[in-house]
Amino acid sequence: NAGVTQTPKFQVLKTGQSMTLQCAQDMNHEYMSWYRQDPGMGLRLIHYSVGAGITDQGEVPNGYNVSRSTTEDFPLRLLSAAPSQTSVYFCASSYGTTEAHTDTQYFGPGTRLTVL
Amino acid sequence: AQSVTQLGSHVSVSEGALVLLRCNYSSSVPPYLFWYVQYPNQGLQLLLKYTTGATLVKGINGFEAEFKKSETSFHLTKPSAHMSDAAEYFCAVSDHHDMRFGAGTRLTVKP
Repeated sequence: NAGVTQTPKFQVLKTGQSMTLQCAQDMNHEYMSWYRQDPGMGLRLIHYSVGAGITDQGEVPNGYNVSRSTTEDFPLRLLSAAPSQTSVYFCASSYGTTEAHTDTQYFGPGTRLTVL
Repeated sequence: AQSVTQLGSHVSVSEGALVLLRCNYSSSVPPYLFWYVQYPNQGLQLLLKYTTGATLVKGINGFEAEFKKSETSFHLTKPSAHMSDAAEYFCAVSDHHDMRFGAGTRLTVKP
């Protein structure tokens, strides 16, 4: 199993550009999520999905869109990048049982994004 | 909404010394508590978690944590630090699908 994979590893954007961060998992997990990690703030939940076709907002969703057309993939879209979106982005997945809040999350290696 | 406070953004110990990383939580429902570790340039890995049952939870790499409801705490300990324990540690609390992380504690281990 490759686990949770993310591409690209690094990305530099100019203000106003759009891009998609890719996330895929091969563990047949129902639950997938996106976090951003900023110094001194830990990880903050952007969006999550409890299964294909279902997405919901987390703590900091503004400026980001997601979709979940398959169980395996959960891309994160930045519609118009801003310097405040400079961060490290982590995708995570878990089994997503009825007791989803007790599940262990498996994290990808992260994408380091810089917006100039 | 639930929240987590980690006391001390940096902790430094000598190799072989006790490791104590502090975490206090706030939750309106019975909490589910986690400790994750992040090694440089990597994603997070689960160290241990508390859901229900025994309040002393043992994790990987010799770490353990005790859930103390009266103190709203979930401190992480390891009796003897190893150089390989140097990393950033995150405490987290979960309520349904919303997991909240603390700001993290960077552990340095001195030879």
